[in-house]
Order: sequence, then C-alpha cells, then structure tokens
Amino acid sequence: DIQLTQSPSTLSASVGDRVTITCRASQSISSWLAWYQQKPGKAPNLLIYKASSLESGVPSRFSGSGSETEFTLTISSLQPDDFATYYCQQYKSYPLTFGGGTKVEIK
Amino acid sequence: EVQLVESGGGLVQPGGSLRLSCAASGFTFSDHYMDWVRQAPGKGLEWVGRCRNKANTYTTEYAASVKGRFTISRDDSKNSLYLQMNSLKTEDTAVYYCARVTVVSGSYHFGDWGQGTLVTVSS
Repeated sequence: DIQLTQSPSTLSASVGDRVTITCRASQSISSWLAWYQQKPGKAPNLLIYKASSLESGVPSRFSGSGSETEFTLTISSLQPDDFATYYCQQYKSYPLTFGGGTKVEIK
Repeated sequence: EVQLVESGGGLVQPGGSLRLSCAASGFTFSDHYMDWVRQAPGKGLEWVGRCRNKANTYTTEYAASVKGRFTISRDDSKNSLYLQMNSLKTEDTAVYYCARVTVVSGSYHFGDWGQGTLVTVSS
C-alpha cells in the first residue's frame, strides 16, 4: 500500500499568512494526487487534482505542486474561510489512500 | 447540480448487518465510477471501495479492512449506489460518504461527495 505522510499535523496561522502543507508518498505516484478541504461536520471538498490542477470554483489563492513522492499545497494568503482540515489523497494504485490530515488553526 | 444523498445509517450490534444507499442526481450516474469513503469519529478519511461503471462491467475494489464483509453494488435504473455491510465490528463505526469519481485528463479524483450517514456499531 502507498502511505501518505502529511506535515505538519497542525498548523497555527494568521489571516494573510502564506501557508504550505507537505504530503510525502512512500513510493512514486507520478502526479496522481488530490487535495481536499474539510470543515467540521461537513463532507470533504476537492481543491486540487492531478497534483497542480485547480478545481473549478476554488479560489486562486490555493495552489498545488510536486510530483513522484513530494507534494505541497499552498495557500498564498490565508482567509478566515480557510481554517479547516486538509487531506491529500493518492489514486495511483489500490487501495486508494489519504494522508493523516493537517488542521489549520487560528493563531 | 450534482447531489449525492446517503441513507441507511444507524445503530447496529457487533456481528450485525446494515445496508447503506446513496441516491444520485444532477449527472449521468451510469457513466461514473462511484466510491464509498468513511471517517471514524475524530479521525481521518479512509477509502472503503469502488464500483466501476457499466462500460467497465461494474467491477469492484475494496480496502483490505472490509474485503469479504462489505459489498458495493449499484442500480443505474434507480441512480443509486449501495453498500452492504455484514459482520460489522466496532471499528466500522464511522460516517460513510459516497463520492462520485470525476475523470479529467486521466485523473480519477473525487469531484463530489454526499453529506454522509453515521453508522454506529455498539452493543
């Protein structure tokens, strides 16, 4: 199975900060990686697919980069609506797997 | 507008069975792969399994943790996805989401999610 390790697990930041979350895969997954945002009590919401493609309707302050085993999700200027938990997910091979999540908290 | 609405969750005893449903609307259901993903209370997301579309003969994939106990099926005439859960364990307690697989440029990601249904396995 492909393991995804996210870091940090928790991040404290202020509105306007630039935030970067890292996702490392235990083996190469090419660019078959997605990022999701989840707020408490809600379903996850797709932000980025194929490592760097922005989902339609998602604000341009979100961006993704990376390939093979190392990936990042960047929020260029953190907004109040962005305080949430973020998950990476690989779809290179079965079983599909998710990272452990990164909770972005208000500093 | 894409809508996915799960139902069928509830309280069940260990060793029991439960069948979840996911009613889909707003897209051509028969064209899409459909998945189940779960989330235990306070924990992260865990993929449960997949049912491919008719073009791919409705084949399925499962996580090791549920293989042999859970069965995913679909009825395209009813735009519905199902998850039959047998031999339930306390560790199966979770919110269960159905998710539509969106295909863009060869990328098979989860474009849409339902609101989830809670399954509690407890005596």
